[in-house]
Amino acid sequence: QKEVEQDPGPLSVPEGAIVSLNCTYSNSAFQYFMWYRQYSRKGPELLMYTYSSGNKEDGRFTAQVDKSSKYISLFIRDSQPSDSATYLCAMKLVGDGGFKTIFGAGTRLFVKA
Amino acid sequence: DVKVTQSSRYLVKRTGEKVFLECVQDMDHENMFWYRQDPGLGLRLIYFSYDVKMKEKGDIPEGYSVSREKKERFSLILESASTNQTSMYLCASSSSGSLGTDTQYFGPGTRLTVL
Repeated sequence: QKEVEQDPGPLSVPEGAIVSLNCTYSNSAFQYFMWYRQYSRKGPELLMYTYSSGNKEDGRFTAQVDKSSKYISLFIRDSQPSDSATYLCAMKLVGDGGFKTIFGAGTRLFVKA
Repeated sequence: DVKVTQSSRYLVKRTGEKVFLECVQDMDHENMFWYRQDPGLGLRLIYFSYDVKMKEKGDIPEGYSVSREKKERFSLILESASTNQTSMYLCASSSSGSLGTDTQYFGPGTRLTVL
């Protein structure tokens, strides 16, 4: 079983729709949760960063973490064609031996004008 | 603005060739990483370095080696390229200010094809 599971999509939505992207994980030691956005032919860039369970909002983006269910989500409101990209979840644990970050496979999102 | 650059965007090599992928960052970051990205598998860590001349194996180090002689530069070496090393290679860097909250900044990637 993979440590982080993410539906690869592709996910196609009309402009203005609310998008929900999700990841599940198996290691309860993960402490930090990130969402990266990757445009075609570019490297990933950090979009959202959360530590605790609950919601974190930044403009049209909301990151949600449910540690009890080992489930994280990214919601995009009023989606735009410029949101078309691959979205990767990532999770990190920090311990005595250092730190470890695991990435999901990424979900390809297409927002149609 | 943090900038991470990679020496080539596209590279085509033959089986058995030695391949060097170079990464340079301009933010004085302590940590540097090499990942490969394959469809359906996401980013998988090959090696990382937390200081000059220091390296640690990631999840898939077999067939790869790395070199970090200067803080800003991290090289990935394929000693004898094989077709299963055809992939997108991404370099990243981060600071060690707070290991939990450090952000990884990625380069644009090198798409390597091994024939």
